[in-house]
Amino acid sequence: EAQVTQNPRYLITVTGKKLTVTCSQNMNHEYMSWYRQDPGLGLRQIYYSMNVEVTDKGDVPEGYKVSRKEKRNFPLILESPSPNQTSLYFCASSTFRGGGHYEQYFGPGTRLTVT
Amino acid sequence: AQSVTQLGSHVSVSEGALVLLRCNYSSSVPPYLFWYVQYPNQGLQLLLKYTTGATLVKGINGFEAEFKKSETSFHLTKPSAHMSDAAEYFCAVTLSAGQNFVFGPGTRLSVLP
Repeated sequence: EAQVTQNPRYLITVTGKKLTVTCSQNMNHEYMSWYRQDPGLGLRQIYYSMNVEVTDKGDVPEGYKVSRKEKRNFPLILESPSPNQTSLYFCASSTFRGGGHYEQYFGPGTRLTVT
Repeated sequence: AQSVTQLGSHVSVSEGALVLLRCNYSSSVPPYLFWYVQYPNQGLQLLLKYTTGATLVKGINGFEAEFKKSETSFHLTKPSAHMSDAAEYFCAVTLSAGQNFVFGPGTRLSVLP
């Protein structure tokens, strides 16, 4: 079954305590992204990756890091979380192929609370 | 940079009525356009997309959208609303594969009996 998995699904942490949210996909997709969802703002892209070792900033990268050492994994790292990073986070993987073929799958989301 | 606007953060329709959710984008070149749906406490599901070819695009659950370049619009429609359509809908745009993907703020659709 094609899927994107995220862990943990829920996390409560304190300001400044480093954390990592993992993301893994089993579809061999080239592209992976991280988004945060906040009420009234929709989803905003944090970082995206076009392939292994190729990453770029999205619209709201401040306070986040990513790495893409393997094609299937794209962890999101918060080195020093702050309360304004409390949000719902989604990982996604996608592929574009010829003829307009496109597919994108989203993970189930990680609800992060930083106190 | 691209941006997406969705007119109306909340839209209510009666069951059986026409659904029209508006999406306008700003882009210097023709983009790829998408509509996603999010049901409560769930992730996002792709409804339909425009990447190339026919400008009227049909998606799942009876939804369709028309890409109008002259109006920079990609409005989502469904002829007859069903109670199960109640959800939040997001329009999104990207210029090319794997690049910056921009979502609109979303429109919450309520369907009244």
